[in-house]
Amino acid sequence: GAVVSQHPSRVICKSGTSVKIECRSLDFQATTMFWYRQFPKQSLMLMATSNEGSKATYEQGVEKDKFLINHASLTLSTLTVTSAHPEDSSFYICSARLAGGTPSYEQYFGPGTRLTVT
Amino acid sequence: TQLLEQSPQFLSIQEGENLTVYCNSSSVFSSLQWYRQEPGEGPVLLVTVVTGGEVKKLKRLTFQFGDARKDSSLHITAAQPGDTGLYLCAGLSKAAGNKLTFGGGTRVLVKP
Repeated sequence: GAVVSQHPSRVICKSGTSVKIECRSLDFQATTMFWYRQFPKQSLMLMATSNEGSKATYEQGVEKDKFLINHASLTLSTLTVTSAHPEDSSFYICSARLAGGTPSYEQYFGPGTRLTVT
Repeated sequence: TQLLEQSPQFLSIQEGENLTVYCNSSSVFSSLQWYRQEPGEGPVLLVTVVTGGEVKKLKRLTFQFGDARKDSSLHITAAQPGDTGLYLCAGLSKAAGNKLTFGGGTRVLVKP
C-alpha cells in the first residue's frame, strides 16, 4: 500500500515553455502533498505544501508564479513549471501524506521526475 | 530554523562490515523517519521512530531514537552491496508545521 506515482518520469523541454508534472496517490487519499526539488548529490529541498481544495503554501524563496501547484482532488496534485529555464533543470519529487494522518504523519514519496530544460 | 545534521556525508566500506549513520539536531522532533534513496528514484521509507529511546530493527538495520528525541542513528550489520544508497533522516515537528526537515544525507557505498 501507500504507493505514489509521478508522471512523466523524464521530460526535456525548450527554454521558455511550460511543463506539468503529475503526482498521484494510487491506493490512498492524501489531503496533503508536498513538492521537493533535489540537486545532484544533495538532500531534498521542500518547495511547497499542497492542500486539497486550497492554495499551496510555498517555502521562502520559491516563486509561486513560476511553480504553479494545483491539488484538485484527494489523489492528484500537479506542479507546473512555467517559462522554464535551464536553471530549473532538476529532479522534482512529490510526496503524499495519508488523509486523517497517522500520529507520525508519514509521507510516501513518488519516484521523481527528471526535468531538463535546453 | 530547524536543522538536522547527518554524519558522515559519505561512507565507503567492504561487504560484511558494519556501519553507523548519525542524525543530530538541537530541536525536538515528534517523530523521525529514515529513508533510502537510489539514483534516479524517490526516497523509500524504511522506518518511523516516535518514542524517545525507541529501538526498531528491520533485518540487518537497527534504528534508534534518542531519549530526548533530538537525535537518531541507523546501524547496519554485515553490510551488503544492496545496501548501497543515499540514506536520509527526516524529522517531524509541530513547530515546523508538521513538515519534514531533512538531513543532508549520507551516501553509503558497499563494495563487494
